[in-house]
Amino acid sequence: DGGITQSPKYLFRKEGQNVTLSCEQNLNHDAMYWYRQDPGQGLRLIYYSQIVNDFQKGDIAEGYSVSREKKESFPLTVTSAQKNPTAFYLCASSSTENSPLHFGNGTRLTVT
Amino acid sequence: GQNIDQPTEMTATEGAIVQINCTYQTSGFNGLFWYQQHAGEAPTFLSYNVLDGLEEKGRFSSFLSRSKGYSYLLLKELQMKDSASYLCAAMDSNYQLIWGAGTKLIIKP
Repeated sequence: DGGITQSPKYLFRKEGQNVTLSCEQNLNHDAMYWYRQDPGQGLRLIYYSQIVNDFQKGDIAEGYSVSREKKESFPLTVTSAQKNPTAFYLCASSSTENSPLHFGNGTRLTVT
Repeated sequence: GQNIDQPTEMTATEGAIVQINCTYQTSGFNGLFWYQQHAGEAPTFLSYNVLDGLEEKGRFSSFLSRSKGYSYLLLKELQMKDSASYLCAAMDSNYQLIWGAGTKLIIKP
């Protein structure tokens, strides 16, 4: 079955540490996205990539970094520069720019 | 600026009908999406409207009025499993999605 896999489901880190969230898809989609979801707010776009070896900043890219070395993979690194990293992180992919997003099951990151 | 408004929470009874409204303001428009999200899970796609009118898909229907910047999601014959958050998202001229905060739907027996 095709889909998007995010790992781990829960992640705990100490303040000041970088952490990398994994996202893998086998849908053969060109576009991949990282969103952050906080209570009472809409999804906010962190980074997106429409093709391998290329990515663009979203609305809240500060304190985050990504890479897109393979079509299937789009890992997100939450750096120590991110002021408020505790959140639910969702990875998504789409086949074309106006087609529906397919989401992974999310990673809930807690930083203390 | 760009924004989306939808009610924070709604309550309905099992077997009934509920309408969840969404109003949007975007720079250009390339369609409106509805997603369902159960607590702690990923959003799943429900519907996409780009032309005015009603799209029906089983118990769920979605309506769009581009001139009014308005959409609604209609859920019929409500079941307990429909308890979830419903996310409205409008796509602007750059194909960027603007997301609402979601409507939490509570179904009572």
